[in-house]
Amino acid sequence: DVKVTQSSRYLVKRTGEKVFLECVQDMDHENMFWYRQDPGLGLRLIYFSYDVKMKEKGDIPEGYSVSREKKERFSLILESASTNQTSMYLCASRPTRGPSTEAFFGQGTRLTVV
Amino acid sequence: GQQVMQIPQYQHVQEGEDFTTYCNSSTTLSNIQWYKQRPGGHPVFLIQLVKSGEVKKQKRLTFQFGEAKKNSSLHITATQTTDVGTYFCAGGGSGGYNKLIFGAGTRLAVHP
Repeated sequence: DVKVTQSSRYLVKRTGEKVFLECVQDMDHENMFWYRQDPGLGLRLIYFSYDVKMKEKGDIPEGYSVSREKKERFSLILESASTNQTSMYLCASRPTRGPSTEAFFGQGTRLTVV
Repeated sequence: GQQVMQIPQYQHVQEGEDFTTYCNSSTTLSNIQWYKQRPGGHPVFLIQLVKSGEVKKQKRLTFQFGEAKKNSSLHITATQTTDVGTYFCAGGGSGGYNKLIFGAGTRLAVHP
């Protein structure tokens, strides 16, 4: 059974804290993504990575950074959490080649910054 | 950058009525994918369209990819309460690294 696992389902952090959201996939996919989901705004791409140590900014990278030291793990870092980063964060992975390049999502992390 | 617009944002239908959601991209897409997110869940892949003018069916769902590969639609015939959720289109850009840009989604409510 294919899996994308996010480290936490719910997280509450204080303003100014450094926050790490971890994502692991077991499908040997080259591409991994971090999205945030807010009501009415759909899934907005924060960062994605197409290979180990390779990354590219998405549409809303400000206030975030990422790390991909190993193929299976993609971390999202909030350098100094702010209340406007309260959101649902979704990690996804997808292959580059194959009969289907569908994306598989983790269960999401609901982050609240107080 | 690449943008994917999706309309409508919400749709309320009576059970048995049809439903359509539309997706438009600012750039030509290499492919388009559709996902469904049930309330409280995460997006789950439905289908991928690759060819210009392609039409695919999954039971009561019909997916179309435009001739110019810049627009797509999902049509559900005779909706059921199990169709409730948010439907997203996601565009794969032409060239470069399998970036996947999602539309804002259409939330479907079905009244019995």
